[in-house]
Amino acid sequence: AQSVTQLDSHVSVSEGTPVLLRCNYSSSYSPSLFWYVQHPNKGLQLLLKYTSAATLVKGINGFEAEFKKSETSFHLTKPSAHMSDAAEYFCVVSGTGTASKLTFGTGTRLQVTL
Amino acid sequence: DSGVTQTPKHLITATGQRVTLRCSPRSGDLSVYWYQQSLDQGLQFLIHYYNGEERAKGNILERFSAQQFPDLHSELNLSSLELGDSALYFCASSVRGDGLYGYTFGSGTRLTVV
Repeated sequence: AQSVTQLDSHVSVSEGTPVLLRCNYSSSYSPSLFWYVQHPNKGLQLLLKYTSAATLVKGINGFEAEFKKSETSFHLTKPSAHMSDAAEYFCVVSGTGTASKLTFGTGTRLQVTL
Repeated sequence: DSGVTQTPKHLITATGQRVTLRCSPRSGDLSVYWYQQSLDQGLQFLIHYYNGEERAKGNILERFSAQQFPDLHSELNLSSLELGDSALYFCASSVRGDGLYGYTFGSGTRLTVV
């Protein structure tokens, strides 16, 4: 079984300040982990993915995430928030093999204020 | 444009009716996944097809069915529609079935049942 827990449903930051979106995962095997972003009335866009290579993963738009097996965490960070970062962010875990599926967290809504 | 095409983008229909949602995966991708996004349930996995074969089922109702055709496009059929079926339905594709190379989502079909 696999699951993800996004620890914050809402995060509010000021423009130019760091962003931290927290995610813990549970998986009975080595997981693949993803962060997706969904802007209002838009589809899901892949920000970054971890698939057992480097533990620090760099994604698009300045986002990065660090896989910490000892803490079962995969937190998403960005040094400086932009207004355009305001969106819903989903932490996702994937199964393995040809019968895989994605299990989504409940999402974190990021608000960026001036 | 993600490369995954979903049609129609919007659909309004009455209770008791049947609709078909269509998904064309990204060129070269063999796997198609269907997800339902609703306000109360979040993003829920429905079903996964790999190269024409059903590989995994999630929280898919018996009133719902899907298939993947030889050209790899997929259709999700929803019948005896109820108000609670109103949601955003996403299709995602991947090269393989294990997510190693990530998943690409379409922009979704918004279904409104009235």
